[in-house]
Amino acid sequence: AQTVTQSQPEMSVQEAETVTLSCTYDTSESDYYLFWYKQPPSRQMILVIRQEAYKQQNATENRFSVNFQKAAKSFSLKISDSQLGDAAMYFCAYIGNSGYALNFGKGTSLLVTP
Amino acid sequence: EAGVAQSPRYKIIEKRQSVAFWCNPISGHATLYWYQQILGQGPKLLIQFQNNGVVDDSQLPKDRFSAERLKGVDSTLKIQPAKLEDSAVYLCASSPLPVPVYEQYFGPGTRLTVT
Repeated sequence: AQTVTQSQPEMSVQEAETVTLSCTYDTSESDYYLFWYKQPPSRQMILVIRQEAYKQQNATENRFSVNFQKAAKSFSLKISDSQLGDAAMYFCAYIGNSGYALNFGKGTSLLVTP
Repeated sequence: EAGVAQSPRYKIIEKRQSVAFWCNPISGHATLYWYQQILGQGPKLLIQFQNNGVVDDSQLPKDRFSAERLKGVDSTLKIQPAKLEDSAVYLCASSPLPVPVYEQYFGPGTRLTVT
């Protein structure tokens, strides 16, 4: 079974600074997808960024980028120029190419301070 | 484009009572998911529909949980009878076709408290 581990229950960053959220996963599959989702307080969960395992290039979306280390089974999220609106729970998720369901980590609560 | 709608947003019931949640996915989305998110954890898939057929319900506690998606559009999730450990947020999500190729869009969730 695939497992997703987020070892940082809480993180804090000052506005305009950079923060990195960690995620590791365990799988025996060679083809899979990884995601970071953002869940603001009392609001919908939204997709931040996704990475296909077969792609060597790290995904980027504006201020959000990932560091995907396939051999180490590591998938960290870097948020640059942090904004107050980035405060939320961040979930790392995995799905194998033959799977149906996203496997989520327990999440990291990100606090952004002025 | 309207998002995924869920109702009610909050529900408080006593244990052994029944409860039902409703989800209306984004128009045209064939795939619908129900997740259970217990406080302090990530969402866990309960059931996945493709149109009105069940794709995966391996983690659905079938002795008390049931779900249906009649006509391949709206869906209801029912718990009967509820237990204290069912207290959680129930999330509905939809996508045009199954992940991972397509993005899932989540609703706001229903927060269930069982006392």
